[in-house]
Amino acid sequence: NAGVMQNPRHLVRRRGQEARLRCSPMKGHSHVYWYRQLPEEGLKFMVYLQKENIIDESGMPKERFSAEFPKEGPSILRIQQVVRGDSAAYFCASSPPGLEGPKNIQYFGAGTRLSVL
Amino acid sequence: KQEVTQIPAALSVPEGENLVLNCSFTDSAIYNLQWFRQDPGKGLTSLLLIQSSQREQTSGRLNASLDKSSGRSTLYIAASQPGDSATYLCAEGTGGGNKLTFGTGTQLKVEL
Repeated sequence: NAGVMQNPRHLVRRRGQEARLRCSPMKGHSHVYWYRQLPEEGLKFMVYLQKENIIDESGMPKERFSAEFPKEGPSILRIQQVVRGDSAAYFCASSPPGLEGPKNIQYFGAGTRLSVL
Repeated sequence: KQEVTQIPAALSVPEGENLVLNCSFTDSAIYNLQWFRQDPGKGLTSLLLIQSSQREQTSGRLNASLDKSSGRSTLYIAASQPGDSATYLCAEGTGGGNKLTFGTGTQLKVEL
């Protein structure tokens, strides 16, 4: 059973370009979470999705950022018109259905490191 | 505002020593507390999950405790080894357990 897969591992974009980060959850997992780790800072929650639904996006910046988790395929975190301040490691996590609340354990991918030039 | 604090920020110990990492949190509406390790340039590996109704969890040389009343959790590592060198993160699960609030970590170095 493969773990949470994120690609690409490293992504370089110039200011103003778009960045697309992909996350394939563990097999059987229907819940996906995105976190961001800025340089010298801790991980910060961004968004929680279930298949075709955004459940909690309280950590998403108001502009330029969006996330989706379609019925088929990976979850995508999309950053439009990137700026230097978007440079960070973006981590995806997944959890299985039926382990909500206190039992919810999140499994993390290796992350995508975005560098904006 | 939820805050999670980890002390110390860095720790260096000789191999074989037992050690304790500390984590404190402010949100009393905690669903669980999760400990991770993060190796440089890598993702997070889940170590232990303590549900809000539990007091501790053990896995091998690791033991984690949770005290909701004082807002504290500790991770105890017995007989430390060089392979334990990593950054250890604690994360408080809130928002129905779906949202993790992370501390800034304790960077551990175990020396030969």
